[in-house]
Amino acid sequence: SQQGEEDPQALSIQEGENATMNCSYKTSINNLQWYRQNSGRGLVHLILIRSNEREKHSGRLRVTLDTSKKSSSLLITASRAADTASYFCARRNTGFQKLVFGTGTRLLVSP
Amino acid sequence: DAMVIQNPRYQVTQFGKPVTLSCSQTLNHNVMYWYQQKSSQAPKLLFHYYDKDFNNEADTPDNFQSRRPNTSFCFLDIRSPGLGDAAMYLCATSRSSGGTDTQYFGPGTRLTVL
Repeated sequence: SQQGEEDPQALSIQEGENATMNCSYKTSINNLQWYRQNSGRGLVHLILIRSNEREKHSGRLRVTLDTSKKSSSLLITASRAADTASYFCARRNTGFQKLVFGTGTRLLVSP
Repeated sequence: DAMVIQNPRYQVTQFGKPVTLSCSQTLNHNVMYWYQQKSSQAPKLLFHYYDKDFNNEADTPDNFQSRRPNTSFCFLDIRSPGLGDAAMYLCATSRSSGGTDTQYFGPGTRLTVL
């Protein structure tokens, strides 16, 4: 399958804790993107990291990319109940144009 | 301000009865995509348009068709819906179809097939 694999499939934490989600893939990439999806809604782009970058920050989000291990992680610091959603990584493969979405991590943040 | 609009948000149809889902955008983006997402699964690309150029994914069933009459609108036609076609259908847009472009998604249409 071309899909990336994300783990964990589901994550349950308390408000204020950090949440880490991981994404692995098999082919060379041009860039990797993270999206959030609230229940029953469309996806919202969070952050993009290029293949020549190792780390990016956006507010409480931190994304790392290790191209040698073909993996990426998304860290949400000081989580809030409003962060409850599914999080998908999506990669743009080298030489291909479409985004390939991973299987997603369902995050539940309890007050 | 809505940027990618999908109508209806919920659609119920009967087995075998054709259905059309619509998507419009105010972003003036060149590319429009249709994804199918089943429960707890990744969005699966069905096809996309780059301007008027139609690009079908190899594994998209013939039952699914699409039309893009102008830059702003794109339609998904399901000619004979089966029970397995019940899903969330997501429309997305992007300026171009490669590089570092990101996609903007609509809220989705949830299709129920009875």
